[in-house]
Amino acid sequence: GENVEQHPSTLSVQEGDSAVIKCTYSDSASNYFPWYKQELGKGPQLIIDIRSNVGEKKDQRIAVTLNKTAKHFSLHITETQPEDSAVYFCAARGSNTGNQFYFGTGTSLTVIP
Amino acid sequence: EAQVTQNPRYLITVTGKKLTVTCSQNMNHEYMSWYRQDPGLGLRQIYYSMNVEVTDKGDVPEGYKVSRKEKRNFPLILESPSPNQTSLYFCASSPSGLAGGYYNEQFFGPGTRLTVL
Repeated sequence: GENVEQHPSTLSVQEGDSAVIKCTYSDSASNYFPWYKQELGKGPQLIIDIRSNVGEKKDQRIAVTLNKTAKHFSLHITETQPEDSAVYFCAARGSNTGNQFYFGTGTSLTVIP
Repeated sequence: EAQVTQNPRYLITVTGKKLTVTCSQNMNHEYMSWYRQDPGLGLRQIYYSMNVEVTDKGDVPEGYKVSRKEKRNFPLILESPSPNQTSLYFCASSPSGLAGGYYNEQFFGPGTRLTVL
């Protein structure tokens, strides 16, 4: 099956700086890559996603890039704010049936005011 | 309010005592799924369901059962819980799970923290 690796596991940035979280995947046929944000005591919530036929997608301060050749994708958060502090998960949808999801191990982001 | 609900939110039980965690969504979603979240391991998919009466194993199905008799409900059953099933469990739903479909966002429930002694 698919294997998704995520780095770093923890990340601290000063408010206003940028944060980058990187993920790699193993199955070259995976075609959908969502990013989820999990706040303390809550379930994950989708913040942005990208399909395999797109190289980059932006939504205000958040962007995701995908390099299919290298099999890695990254989350970029610019102008970070304290409310961005949370755990972030990347995921990939496997290609065997197209319906199974594989998640990274998470990145705990702390934005220091 | 559109949401995924899980019950109970917290459960402490003993080894071998059968339990069911319920999951319900009110968004008429076709796709539903169960995950467990463990420190350092992220979220791992247990089972998923494309639609009523259609269920498939995820990455870690051992020790779990599911059923999908109605579109809105997707209970997770632990027939004989063991301590290694102590975890935080999330149910999720999505409008469609079809490969290539346009509606892939999964909506997660609030989680069920299970402790098996």
